[in-house]
Amino acid sequence: DAGVTQSPTHLIKTRGQQVTLRCSPISGHKSVSWYQQVLGQGPQFIFQYYEKEERGRGNFPDRFSARQFPNYSSELNVNALLLGDSALYLCASSSPGFNQPQHFGDGTRLSIL
Amino acid sequence: AQRVTQPEKLLSVFKGAPVELKCNYSYSGSPELFWYVQYSRQRLQLLLRHISRESIKGFTADLNKGETSFHLKKPFAQEEDSAMYYCALRGNFGNEKLTFGTGTRLTIIP
Repeated sequence: DAGVTQSPTHLIKTRGQQVTLRCSPISGHKSVSWYQQVLGQGPQFIFQYYEKEERGRGNFPDRFSARQFPNYSSELNVNALLLGDSALYLCASSSPGFNQPQHFGDGTRLSIL
Repeated sequence: AQRVTQPEKLLSVFKGAPVELKCNYSYSGSPELFWYVQYSRQRLQLLLRHISRESIKGFTADLNKGETSFHLKKPFAQEEDSAMYYCALRGNFGNEKLTFGTGTRLTIIP
């Protein structure tokens, strides 16, 4: 099992640009969650999607959006990038069922210049 | 609001000595508590969860609802335990949201 895969691994953008990050969950997992991890902090919840529907949203501005596709993969979009958006973006997936743990990918390192 | 506090950013312990990583939480309902670990150059991975009540790699953690704590313990530290440890909480809002602490970097001194 390849685990949760994310692309790209690293990305450099400038202020004001837009970015799309991608995530493929573990086979059989239908739930995908996105987290932002700033240096020195724990991951912060951005979104959760289950069966293509948004199930949860963290305290992030509307510049952040996401979607889930029929194959359960997901994209995170961030518009009008700010310097403060520089972070590691983590994707996690979990299998159907109550109290299932989340499994994380390696993340996408986003740097804003 | 839910909150997780890990008071120690850094913790150094001699090999063979006991380890305790502290975690306190704030949540009004009945949360699920987790410990995640990140070894050097590896992804974040689940170490253990309170509902399983199991020991993983010699680590245990007991949920103390009275003290709102979920401290991680190991009686005898090993060099391979050096890693970043995060305590996390999941509430019962019907979604997967995990609230993480800021993490503790554990270094085992040979």
